[in-house]
Amino acid sequence: AQSVTQLDSQVPVFEEAPVELRCNYSSSVSVYLFWYVQYPNQGLQLLLKYLSGSTLVKGINGFEAEFNKSQTSFHLRKPSVHISDTAEYFCAVTRGYGGSQGNLIFGKGTKLSVKP
Amino acid sequence: DAMVIQNPRYQVTQFGKPVTLSCSQTLNHNVMYWYQQKSSQAPKLLFHYYDKDFNNEADTPDNFQSRRPNTSFCFLDIRSPGLGDAAMYLCATSRDGDGYTEAFFGQGTRLTVV
Repeated sequence: AQSVTQLDSQVPVFEEAPVELRCNYSSSVSVYLFWYVQYPNQGLQLLLKYLSGSTLVKGINGFEAEFNKSQTSFHLRKPSVHISDTAEYFCAVTRGYGGSQGNLIFGKGTKLSVKP
Repeated sequence: DAMVIQNPRYQVTQFGKPVTLSCSQTLNHNVMYWYQQKSSQAPKLLFHYYDKDFNNEADTPDNFQSRRPNTSFCFLDIRSPGLGDAAMYLCATSRDGDGYTEAFFGQGTRLTVV
């Protein structure tokens, strides 16, 4: 069975500072990896995903993530955050080998708070 | 234009009174999913439809049912809502069930039980 661990429940950071949100996963099979963002009382918006190929994945809003198979990690980074990045971020994996991108196991989320 | 539409965005229902949440899609996707997200928790898959085939997650309570009358619409029925069913309910769709087709999420319905 797959599982996802987001190591930090809350990350406060000042505007224009870099940020890294950590995600580790556990799986006995190859999985696909995702980062979603959720603003208050909104649905989930896909930031980026790793299916195959280059381990450095670039997404929307200046975010990127690096897949590290040996460390089973998929950390999300942004070199300079804005107030508008304040939101909750979810890491997710597909369920099972070749699983659907809609059938996901999510981590518990990391609340990013960007302060002026 | 919104491609996965959930109505209503906010729903208040009484304890024990049946309630139905709606999801529609303009993408003609084969697969539709329902997730439950309780406050400060991860979204959790309740069930999904592949065309007309219903797939229930093992730990989804019997109180939760779903209907898919056609490709475009999928409903989540809660037969007797309890206070513990208050949550954000998210609908998602994907064209197919393999790992290469992208999923699209709706804006969610926030359910309050009073």
